[in-house]
Amino acid sequence: SQKIEQNSEALNIQEGKTATLTCNYTNYSPAYLQWYRQDPGRGPVFLLLIRENEKEKRKERLKVTFDTTLKQSLFHITASQPADSATYLCALERGFNKFYFGSGTKLNVKP
Amino acid sequence: NAGVMQNPRHLVRRRGQEARLRCSPMKGHSHVYWYRQLPEEGLKFMVYLQKENIIDESGMPKERFSAEFPKEGPSILRIQQVVRGDSAAYFCASSRDADTGELFFGEGSRLTVL
Repeated sequence: SQKIEQNSEALNIQEGKTATLTCNYTNYSPAYLQWYRQDPGRGPVFLLLIRENEKEKRKERLKVTFDTTLKQSLFHITASQPADSATYLCALERGFNKFYFGSGTKLNVKP
Repeated sequence: NAGVMQNPRHLVRRRGQEARLRCSPMKGHSHVYWYRQLPEEGLKFMVYLQKENIIDESGMPKERFSAEFPKEGPSILRIQQVVRGDSAAYFCASSRDADTGELFFGEGSRLTVL
């Protein structure tokens, strides 16, 4: 069965540094992958989508890579700020806007 | 442009009662999805609906759970005879088209079963 792994331990970094979050998956080859941000008690908010034929995607301070050989996506936030503190979810498409979601990695950016 | 609206935000039910969760998609969106999130877990797909049609309910428990998206009005997720294990956050999402890749989520409905 499909398995998505995100680091369950919180990532603590200092303001201004680059945060790197990992999403690994098995037993599936998604056509695209997404990253969402979720704040406590709120719904997920879409951040970035990357397709299988794209190696890298950028949006402002965010960067996503997608390695279909390694079955891994990396999500980077450069020049991190305390406001970036949240849980970040990786989601793999499984057809018609259905997604497998990872359990998320909590990011804490300390001032 | 209003986002996806869910209500109630919080719902408390006793075992055996019924829970009804409502979702109004974003304006212009005709595709609705329901996901369930347990504490410290990822979102689990439940059902995908278009107006008056259930497209995919492969993630929906076979018993006690049902969903609809009528021609007029919000989508409704109905849980009959709730049990404690139904306690979770239920999120609705909508999209303009199928397979566009971006879901717009509501703020969720948090169900607590006593």
